[in-house]
Amino acid sequence: GNSVTQMEGPVTLSEEAFLTINCTYTATGYPSLFWYVQYPGEGLQLLLKATKADDKGSNKGFEATYRKETTSFHLEKGSVQVSDSAVYFCALTGANSKLTFGKGITLSVRP
Amino acid sequence: EAGVAQSPRYKIIEKRQSVAFWCNPISGHATLYWYQQILGQGPKLLIQFQNNGVVDDSQLPKDRFSAERLKGVDSTLKIQPAKLEDSAVYLCASSLDLGGSETQYFGPGTRLLVL
Repeated sequence: GNSVTQMEGPVTLSEEAFLTINCTYTATGYPSLFWYVQYPGEGLQLLLKATKADDKGSNKGFEATYRKETTSFHLEKGSVQVSDSAVYFCALTGANSKLTFGKGITLSVRP
Repeated sequence: EAGVAQSPRYKIIEKRQSVAFWCNPISGHATLYWYQQILGQGPKLLIQFQNNGVVDDSQLPKDRFSAERLKGVDSTLKIQPAKLEDSAVYLCASSLDLGGSETQYFGPGTRLLVL
């Protein structure tokens, strides 16, 4: 079946540091890939997505590229802010649109 | 545009009691999902509706969980009787239609504590 593996957390960074959160997946067929974010006290919201190989999703300074050869969708941001502190989930869907999530990783950014 | 609405936001019950959660999806969204998110884990799909029909309920513990979406809009998820391990956040999501590339929009969730 489908599965998503995220790097272990939590991650703590200083403001303006470079961020990479690793995500790899196992899936049959051609999944779509997503990053969802959960800010403190709020619900899950879509951060970015990519629907085919080599697509790059981007939003709010975050980027992730769909790499079929390495089955990866790593999340990056060049300069994090305190407001980026949240839990980040990598996820995928197959043709049936069922979302399979990773465990999530908590990011804390200190001033 | 109004988002996905859920109620209640919090619920505390004793084990073996019953509980029900309500969800109102984004207007016009045909597909509705219920997820269970246990602390420290990612959400897990319980059931998926397309209009008022069930698409996938393979992960729903049918001996105690039930869900319906009678008119293809609102949905309720019920647990009867509840167990300690049901303590989790129950998330409702909706999307415009089926399809792997469709974006799912999540509600704020209902946090359930079973004592």
